Amino acid sequence: DQQVKQNSPSLSVQEGRISILNCDYTNSMFDYFLWYKKYPAEGPTFLISISSIKDKNEDGRFTVFLNKSAKHLSLHIVPSQPGDSAVYFCAASAINTPLVFGKGTRLSVIA
Amino acid sequence: KAGVTQTPRYLIKTRGQQVTLSCSPISGHRSVSWYQQTPGQGLQFLFEYFSETQRNKGNFPGRFSGRQFSNSRSEMNVSTLELGDSALYLCASSLTTSGGASNEQFFGPGTRLTVL
Repeated sequence: DQQVKQNSPSLSVQEGRISILNCDYTNSMFDYFLWYKKYPAEGPTFLISISSIKDKNEDGRFTVFLNKSAKHLSLHIVPSQPGDSAVYFCAASAINTPLVFGKGTRLSVIA
Repeated sequence: KAGVTQTPRYLIKTRGQQVTLSCSPISGHRSVSWYQQTPGQGLQFLFEYFSETQRNKGNFPGRFSGRQFSNSRSEMNVSTLELGDSALYLCASSLTTSGGASNEQFFGPGTRLTVL
């Protein structure tokens, strides 16, 4: 039973355009959501997070949107840069439980 | 502040052998989690330790085990290795798992295990 789903295994975007990565979850107990970025041969690095009491969080070029009624969140990257090419993991957490990760979306930003 | 460290970074073993991987969390972090990453499978949760106690366990066979020491350092052991155990094993530490930002996990670079 996959509680966190990233239905797009890959995404290609032109440099300078917007990248939108999507994530759906099923467990209504999740109250904190995170995005991680992973380069090959490295561990994932934390990118941005959002609490369930908010619907938007922005950090520079990265914005995460949360739609609790739809159990859906998305990560927007504007403008996309070649260095953003990586695998992006969505993760969700509830109190006293480990993070649950999606399978990731590979983003390729084409110059 | 030093990040999460994992040793060794690369390991080659043969079927039937056992292996021990080590993880040192960020200073002050008491929770250590282990994940297995294989192509197309994302991060699959193995187990989590907090204050030397296993708090959560994923859906892996008993060949996979772990422990945590009083200094929060953790080890993971895989016995009777199989070809399918070839993967990147990631360790992550967090302050606690009591919710919100305390659940943010910081990952080490991983140990790449190859089973021949």
